[in-house]
Amino acid sequence: SYELTQPPSVSVSPGQTASITCSGDKLGDKYVCWYQQKTGQSPVLVIYEDDKRPSGIPERISGSNSGSTATLTISGTQTIDEADYYCQAWDSSAGVFGGGTKLTVL
Amino acid sequence: QVRLQESGPGLVKPSQTLSLICTVSGGSISSGGYYWTWIRQHPGKGLEWIGYIFYSGSTDYNPSLKSRVTISVDTSKNQFSLNLSSVTAADTAVYYCARESQGGAHYYGVDVWGQGTTVTVSS
Repeated sequence: SYELTQPPSVSVSPGQTASITCSGDKLGDKYVCWYQQKTGQSPVLVIYEDDKRPSGIPERISGSNSGSTATLTISGTQTIDEADYYCQAWDSSAGVFGGGTKLTVL
Repeated sequence: QVRLQESGPGLVKPSQTLSLICTVSGGSISSGGYYWTWIRQHPGKGLEWIGYIFYSGSTDYNPSLKSRVTISVDTSKNQFSLNLSSVTAADTAVYYCARESQGGAHYYGVDVWGQGTTVTVSS
C-alpha cells in the first residue's frame, strides 16, 4: 500500500519560516493536500492541488510538490500556527494520509 | 454553508458492528462533484481514510478495512452512513464524516469536516 512519510515534529521560532515535508513514491505525479489540526478540533484544509489555498487561508502558507517530496511552508510563523499538519494524496482510488507533523512555535 | 454532523453510539462491544450516520445540512448530498467520506483518528494518532460514497452509490474503501466496511447513502434524508463490522479495541477512535471535492483530473481535498464523534470499543 502507498505510504506518505512526514517528520514527527518541527520546531520554529516566531517570525521564521517553517517547512514540513511529505515523502512518497513518485509523489510529484499526484496531487497533495495539507491539513492543519489544532488540539481538540477537526482538521482544516490549508492547501489543495499541491499549492492552492482555499479562501481564508493566509498567503504565508504555501505548498509545493516535485519528485518524491511535497513541502508545506509557513512564512513568518506565528503562535497561532502551532498545530499538527497532515499531508494527503490519492493512490489507486483511495485516500492516504501522512503520519502527521507537530509544529511547535517557540 | 454545508455542515456535517455525526451521530451514533459512543460505545460498541467487541465483535459487534459500529454504525454511524452523517447528516448533511446546508446543501444537497446529491450535488455532483462531491464524495462523502469517513475518516478516523485513533487516540493521539494520525488520520486514517476509511472510504467514500458518491450520491449515486459508488464507493471506494481503504484496502486495509475493505473487508469490514460498508458506506451507504440515503439521498431522501440527506445522510450517509458507516458500518464497520467485527470491531476490536483497535477500532477505538474519533470518527469524522467529511466532504471531498473532485472534478475531472482535479482533486480539491477534504473541504468540509464534521466535528467528529468518539467511538470506544469495549465490553
